[in-house]
Amino acid sequence: AQSVTQPDIHITVSEGASLELRCNYSYGATPYLFWYVQSPGQGLQLLLKYFSGDTLVQGIKGFEAEFKRSQSSFNLRKPSVHWSDAAEYFCAVAHNTNAGKSTFGDGTTLTVKP
Amino acid sequence: NAGVMQNPRHLVRRRGQEARLRCSPMKGHSHVYWYRQLPEEGLKFMVYLQKENIIDESGMPKERFSAEFPKEGPSILRIQQVVRGDSAAYFCASSVATGSSGSEQYFGPGTRLTVT
Repeated sequence: AQSVTQPDIHITVSEGASLELRCNYSYGATPYLFWYVQSPGQGLQLLLKYFSGDTLVQGIKGFEAEFKRSQSSFNLRKPSVHWSDAAEYFCAVAHNTNAGKSTFGDGTTLTVKP
Repeated sequence: NAGVMQNPRHLVRRRGQEARLRCSPMKGHSHVYWYRQLPEEGLKFMVYLQKENIIDESGMPKERFSAEFPKEGPSILRIQQVVRGDSAAYFCASSVATGSSGSEQYFGPGTRLTVT
């Protein structure tokens, strides 16, 4: 069975500082990997995805993530955080067959200090 | 192109009542997924449907919960005889298909169910 672990429940960074959110997955084959952002009371917005190819993927809002098969990780990074980035971030893995469903981590809440 | 629509956005039910949550997928999408998010938790998969077919309901509670996606109209998640533990945000997502081009799911804004 597939699973996703986000080890950090809550992270606080200063505005302008760099950010890395960790994500580890367990899946028997090459996974489809996603990062989503959720603002309070809102739905999920896709930041970026990895299906295959280049292991460093660029997303929206200046985010990027690197797929490392050897470490079963897909960490999200941003070089300089903005106050508007404060939100909850979810990593997810999906089957690469026709099963369709995604498995989500429990999320990391990001607080940005002025 | 409108995104995934869910209604109502907020729903309050008393214990024992029925809750009906609706989801209209994005235009051209024939695959619908329902997820539940309990407070302070991530999203948990409930059910995956295509038009008139339930493909995977491995995440659905065995009792009181049902889902459908008719040939015409929105997908419906139905919860009978609601209990306080059903209070959560319910998200619907849709995709074009599955596989490499279709695993990307687009999420609706969610329905926040409160059971009093």
